[in-house]
Amino acid sequence: EDKVVQSPLSLVVHEGDTVTLNCSYEVTNFRSLLWYKQEKKAPTFLFMLTSSGIEKKSGRLSSILDKKELFSILNITATQTGDSAVYLCAVGNNAGNMLTFGGGTRLMVKP
Amino acid sequence: DAGITQSPRYKITETGRQVTLMCHQTWSHSYMFWYRQDLGHGLRLIYYSAAADITDKGEVPDGYVVSRSKTENFPLTLESATRSQTSVYFCASSAIGANVLTFGAGSRLTVL
Repeated sequence: EDKVVQSPLSLVVHEGDTVTLNCSYEVTNFRSLLWYKQEKKAPTFLFMLTSSGIEKKSGRLSSILDKKELFSILNITATQTGDSAVYLCAVGNNAGNMLTFGGGTRLMVKP
Repeated sequence: DAGITQSPRYKITETGRQVTLMCHQTWSHSYMFWYRQDLGHGLRLIYYSAAADITDKGEVPDGYVVSRSKTENFPLTLESATRSQTSVYFCASSAIGANVLTFGAGSRLTVL
């Protein structure tokens, strides 16, 4: 059974801080790892990683995957109040298109 | 409207009643999914479908029924609702070979 564990469960920071969110996984026939952002509504897609060591970057957000150690991190630099959300990590395997999600990290950014 | 839409967005029902949550997508995506989201459990897969007339169980299928007679629709039915099925339900879809799921806005179901 595929498994995804995220840490920390929650995090409170101040605007301008840098945060690192962690995701470790166990999956049979790994295909991809995805990060989503959820703000009181539907999760929205951030990144998909398939190759180890290659950083994906979008503005202040970046993510990297380590397939040997089975984890990924999501970094957010210069945080803003609009970054407050639950960040979800998910893994996909080669058996189909479904994703297994972690429990999420709730980030609160204070002004 | 283009995209993936769920209805109803909010539903209150009583124990034992049948409830159907609707999901419609306009992209002709082959794959469709139903997840439930509960505090402490994250998103858990209930059922998924790889194509019309093909459905399969996910992690938590008990108490739910799905069908997919048309590619664009994937209704989820609770045949006899229980309080433990109080949750937020998300429908999602993806193209073949693509792990990126696009989610609907969610349906919040309360079973009294």
